[in-house]
Amino acid sequence: NAGVTQTPKFRVLKTGQSMTLLCAQDMNHEYMYWYRQDPGMGLRLIHYSVGEGTTAKGEVPDGYNVSRLKKQNFLLGLESAAPSQTSVYFCASSYPSGRVNTGELFFGEGSRLTVL
Amino acid sequence: LAKTTQPISMDSYEGQEVNITCSHNNIATNDYITWYQQFPSQGPRFIIQGYKTKVTNEVASLFIPADRKSSTLSLPRVSLSDTAVYYCLVGGGYQKVTFGTGTKLQVIP
Repeated sequence: NAGVTQTPKFRVLKTGQSMTLLCAQDMNHEYMYWYRQDPGMGLRLIHYSVGEGTTAKGEVPDGYNVSRLKKQNFLLGLESAAPSQTSVYFCASSYPSGRVNTGELFFGEGSRLTVL
Repeated sequence: LAKTTQPISMDSYEGQEVNITCSHNNIATNDYITWYQQFPSQGPRFIIQGYKTKVTNEVASLFIPADRKSSTLSLPRVSLSDTAVYYCLVGGGYQKVTFGTGTKLQVIP
């Protein structure tokens, strides 16, 4: 199993450009999350999903959109990138379908985004 | 999720036992306490989880007093490779999962 895979791992954008980060998990998890982490800081929740077709706002949702059309994928979109969105983005998933939800999160390796 | 308070940073020498305490005064009856470890440039990974008393696995121990308003992560005989940020999370339901700032542990040779 690959676990949680994020693409791309690195990206440089110009202000105003748009892009999509893809998160894919092969663990049949119900819940998926997008976090951002700025230098020297903890993780902040952007958006999350508790099932296919559902999304919800986290702590810092402004400037981002998400979609969960397929259970295994969770997309994070930036419609008009700003320098303040320069960060490392982490995707996570949890809660294997049909099993007890222990809340254990499995993270991807991160996607480093720079907005010039 | 219940708000948590942890020390911002800690230093320890190699071979020592390290205890990191997390305060969570607003913990709810059905909340579990979970600790994660994060190395630089990596996503956090699960270390240990508990509800009450003591839990031990191959990596760490978790001590939770009867009132559950705090918890202590214990790392036995730390090595340089234990240098990381450690996060304490408290909650149940596990839907909107948020992290605090964590404790940056620096292990010194």
